[in-house]
Amino acid sequence: DGGITQSPKYLFRKEGQNVTLSCEQNLNHDAMYWYRQDPGQGLRLIYYSQIVNDFQKGDIAEGYSVSREKKESFPLTVTSAQKNPTAFYLCASSIVKWNEQFFGPGTRLTVL
Amino acid sequence: ELKVEQNPLFLSMQEGKNYTIYCNYSTTSDRLYWYRQDPGKSLESLFVLLSNGAVKQEGRLMASLDTKARLSTLHITAAVHDLSATYFCAVDMDDSNYQLIWGAGTKLIIKP
Repeated sequence: DGGITQSPKYLFRKEGQNVTLSCEQNLNHDAMYWYRQDPGQGLRLIYYSQIVNDFQKGDIAEGYSVSREKKESFPLTVTSAQKNPTAFYLCASSIVKWNEQFFGPGTRLTVL
Repeated sequence: ELKVEQNPLFLSMQEGKNYTIYCNYSTTSDRLYWYRQDPGKSLESLFVLLSNGAVKQEGRLMASLDTKARLSTLHITAAVHDLSATYFCAVDMDDSNYQLIWGAGTKLIIKP
């Protein structure tokens, strides 16, 4: 089955820790995206990547970092510089830039 | 400013009634997407509208796009409880540097 997987489903972070959220897709999509969603709110773009070894900042990139070493994988690191990281994180992919985006199940991050 | 405005943001309605959600956007585009999100879950693609006058229907939901008015509508016919969710529109605008611009979402509650 083709799809997008995210892990873990739930993640707890202590103050000052970096954590990495995994996103993998087997849809052979070129473009991948990371969004943040706060409770009751819409989506905000963190980073996006159109091809391997290239990525661009979205609207709220501060305190986050990404890599795109393989077409299938786009991990997101939430660094200690992100002061309020508690949120629902969604990864998405699309065939070409900005065609229909398909979403993973999400990772819920909580700061302890 | 690139903006997508949905209204209403919250809608409570009775089963069996009809209603329309509106999605207005600020600049030219002929590519608009509707998504559904259930509480605590990820986003599911509902409709892809790729040209002026496009109309798509799935069950009790029908989406349309008027690029001249920069308006899309999501019409619900004879609502049922299972349609309770948050609905997002997203627009791929010509001026958006290849980003999808998201509406804030419409939370729909359908009471039996």
